[in-house]
Amino acid sequence: EAEVAQSPRYKITEKSQAVAFWCDPISGHATLYWYRQILGQGPELLVQFQDESVVDDSQLPKDRFSAERLKGVDSTLKIQPAELGDSAMYLCASSYRGDWTDTQYFGPGTRLTVL
Amino acid sequence: GQNIDQPTEMTATEGAIVQINCTYQTSGFNGLFWYQQHAGEAPTFLSYNVLDGLEEKGRFSSFLSRSKGYSYLLLKELQMKDSASYLCAASDSNYQLIWGAGTKLIIKP
Repeated sequence: EAEVAQSPRYKITEKSQAVAFWCDPISGHATLYWYRQILGQGPELLVQFQDESVVDDSQLPKDRFSAERLKGVDSTLKIQPAELGDSAMYLCASSYRGDWTDTQYFGPGTRLTVL
Repeated sequence: GQNIDQPTEMTATEGAIVQINCTYQTSGFNGLFWYQQHAGEAPTFLSYNVLDGLEEKGRFSSFLSRSKGYSYLLLKELQMKDSASYLCAASDSNYQLIWGAGTKLIIKP
């Protein structure tokens, strides 16, 4: 069964350092999502791509976060500089088209700890 | 505004039945999703409802009432492995998911 791949699974960094997360969606899925999930809360959408284009990045803290999906396949989320409040699980999900019948499938996530 | 409400935590006994409720308010509505999330893991898809009524899938069933903005997830014959958080998410007019905070389900022997 096809899966969403993410790496690394765990990342520990010091504040003010740069971190990057990678996601490879299920093959053929045009829509890719990056979420942040704080313990005890639901996922919060950071950015949504349709192919290589950003559909929504209204909740992305653009002063420190950036995301790209250059060839419309895999994607990278970067934080620079990291802050203590960025400690969370970063989840990547993909769906076939991103419309109403679509199911989002999640990768295993990256657990980020900022010291 | 957009909002999803579900109980924070529920406790049930192995072998029993539990119902997890979810109410939603969204700008437009394109369906209701339930996901299961074990501690430290990613959410996994359980069910999707877009029309009123009950959808049954093995031990899990999900119900939707669009007029009431209400859904529930019914888990039968509970097993210890069902201990997890259950996330309710509504698809809004832009087909984005509005997520609840999740209901932590604790199963006792």
